[in-house]
Amino acid sequence: GESVGLHLPTLSVQEGDNSIINCAYSNSASDYFIWYKQESGKGPQFIIDIRSNMDKRQGQRVTVLLNKTVKHLSLQIAATQPGDSAVYFCAENTSGGTSYGKLTFGQGTILTVHP
Amino acid sequence: EAGVAQSPRYKIIEKRQSVAFWCNPISGHATLYWYQQILGQGPKLLIQFQNNGVVDDSQLPKDRFSAERLKGVDSTLKIQPAKLEDSAVYLCASSVMDRQPQHFGDGTRLSIL
Repeated sequence: GESVGLHLPTLSVQEGDNSIINCAYSNSASDYFIWYKQESGKGPQFIIDIRSNMDKRQGQRVTVLLNKTVKHLSLQIAATQPGDSAVYFCAENTSGGTSYGKLTFGQGTILTVHP
Repeated sequence: EAGVAQSPRYKIIEKRQSVAFWCNPISGHATLYWYQQILGQGPKLLIQFQNNGVVDDSQLPKDRFSAERLKGVDSTLKIQPAKLEDSAVYLCASSVMDRQPQHFGDGTRLSIL
């Protein structure tokens, strides 16, 4: 079935480096994508989103890139900090058989930032 | 702005018992979601409400799970009877409307003995 997947299950970086977390999706009908950060014992925290009519979107220290040709999504974190250590999920929104969108999450990437 | 509130934070029950979870979404959010997150996996949608109506419950095990959002605000999710494989974190999320960012509560961690 259609699914969202991640290339790397774990990523370790040094404090101050830039981090790139990748995500592959297979549903060409997906029209909306979201990145979430999840810390231990907490719910997913919204980071940034992008719609399918865009290729790039920037937030504070984060940038999301969408390549629809190869069905690839990435999250770039600039000047990574120890507080960025968490599990990062990409999620795609497609029609769930109704007129409403349905969010499907990938497996997640564990980001560890070393001081 | 207050976030999504969920209770209880933890629950331990024996298999075949019943359990209920409660969610209070962000004020003004029309869309409410319940997700199940098994350890090491991403959240999986169980049910989606638009105001007080169900718009997607295709992945809800209806023989044992039920959910309601009677007044279009708070919601409850119930499991009866519980099975060992129901051990997971149950997350509630809300959004202003469909295809807008979903904001999550911290979930209820359910352990089945």
